[in-house]
Amino acid sequence: EVQLLESGGGLVQPGGSLGLSCAASGFTFSSYGMTWVRQAPGKGLEWVSGISGGGSSTYYVDSVKGRFTISRDNSKSTVYLQMNSLRAEDTAIYYCAKARTNMPKVFDSWGQGTLVTVSS
Amino acid sequence: EIVLTQSPGTLSLSPGERATLSCRASQSVSNNYLAWYQQKPGQAPRLLIYGASSRAAGIPDRFSGSGSGTDFTLTISRLEPEDFAVYYCQQYDNSARTFGQGTKVEI
Repeated sequence: EVQLLESGGGLVQPGGSLGLSCAASGFTFSSYGMTWVRQAPGKGLEWVSGISGGGSSTYYVDSVKGRFTISRDNSKSTVYLQMNSLRAEDTAIYYCAKARTNMPKVFDSWGQGTLVTVSS
Repeated sequence: EIVLTQSPGTLSLSPGERATLSCRASQSVSNNYLAWYQQKPGQAPRLLIYGASSRAAGIPDRFSGSGSGTDFTLTISRLEPEDFAVYYCQQYDNSARTFGQGTKVEI
């Protein structure tokens, strides 16, 4: 059974940094792309970032380019999202999701999410 | 960026009825790279359809997807009580994946 467990969320001041982790199990981690999707309170889904199975290709939504960095450690079956220069509009539940293939295109398993609140 | 516009915003139906949800793209989505997800309150999304019309593993056959180019449709043939939720379309043709704003299916 695929399991994805996010951690690292919390309260951070505007301009601050936070690192999210997503520990995966139940599948051959290095064979699948991974992604982060966020959902602001009461709002819809927003794709944030994706990474290929080997980690060589990364993708970002324009609003986080230069501020967020996605990475993965296949030896630890973990994907990360380092978030810098955080803004109030980054407040959301952040979901980690597994792709159906090596590339982060379609997402067939999701974690339960971790809440990030950016506020002074 | 490909903008996805879903309609209607809310669909009020009864169990047993047919639901038809629309997703329109701002530009053509190549190779039918369009997926649908279901999200219930307090839960993570669940993949229903990918490739515009292929059902994901374990998804009942009352869910079907169709369309191509810029116009896509998710149909639920006979609504079950557990189908009342929010549905999102997502394109993966462009490297910047995008979601539609969602359609709420309510009783």
